[in-house]
Amino acid sequence: EIVLTQSPGTLSLSPGERATLSCRASQSVSSSYLAWYQQKPGQAPRLLINGASSRATGIPDRFSGSGSGTDFTLTISRLEPEDFAVYYCQQYTSPPRFGPGTKVDIK
Amino acid sequence: EVQLVESGGGLVQPGGSLRLSCAASGFTFSSYGMSWVRQAPGKGLEWVSTISGSDGSTYYADSVRGRFTISKDSSKNTLYLQMNSLRAEDSAVYYCAKKLSRTGYAPLDYWGQGTLVTVSS
Repeated sequence: EIVLTQSPGTLSLSPGERATLSCRASQSVSSSYLAWYQQKPGQAPRLLINGASSRATGIPDRFSGSGSGTDFTLTISRLEPEDFAVYYCQQYTSPPRFGPGTKVDIK
Repeated sequence: EVQLVESGGGLVQPGGSLRLSCAASGFTFSSYGMSWVRQAPGKGLEWVSTISGSDGSTYYADSVRGRFTISKDSSKNTLYLQMNSLRAEDSAVYYCAKKLSRTGYAPLDYWGQGTLVTVSS
């Protein structure tokens, strides 16, 4: 069973800055079955990235995903006010698992 | 437009049962796998169960296997989660979600708004 860890736990940044979030898997995630989600308080998660690097429908191009094997990264090139949220990675092989999340808050 | 609307949450005593429903619209419900994901207050996301769109195969997290049952009624476009022998640690917001693709491994591209389950005496 693949376990995911995310770092940092909290990232404090200002609007306009670049955010780099890390997701590490306990073993290789085959075929890059790795997704990223954004969740704002009181809302359901929203799919941002699937297949490690493909943006989901309607996701702005300031969001990008990269990585393979056990190390994956979500990058937000320039933070907009609406980007302050919690971000989860997920590997969606069987059984699917989520990472513990990274909170991006306003510095 | 894809819509997923959960219902059936509430307060239940430890050891009790509850059935959650998720009404789906805007896509060919019978063709897609569907999942339940839960989130305890202030905590992260936990996958609970998935039912395959292709053959109805079911999958469960170890924490709920033997107590929860996922099912669907394609004639009603509705997903269910029957929860028995509930424990305090099952308290969470329960989301239903649709898989992105019809076959194979896929992330969850549409989510409902969630329904709150509280297990307490």
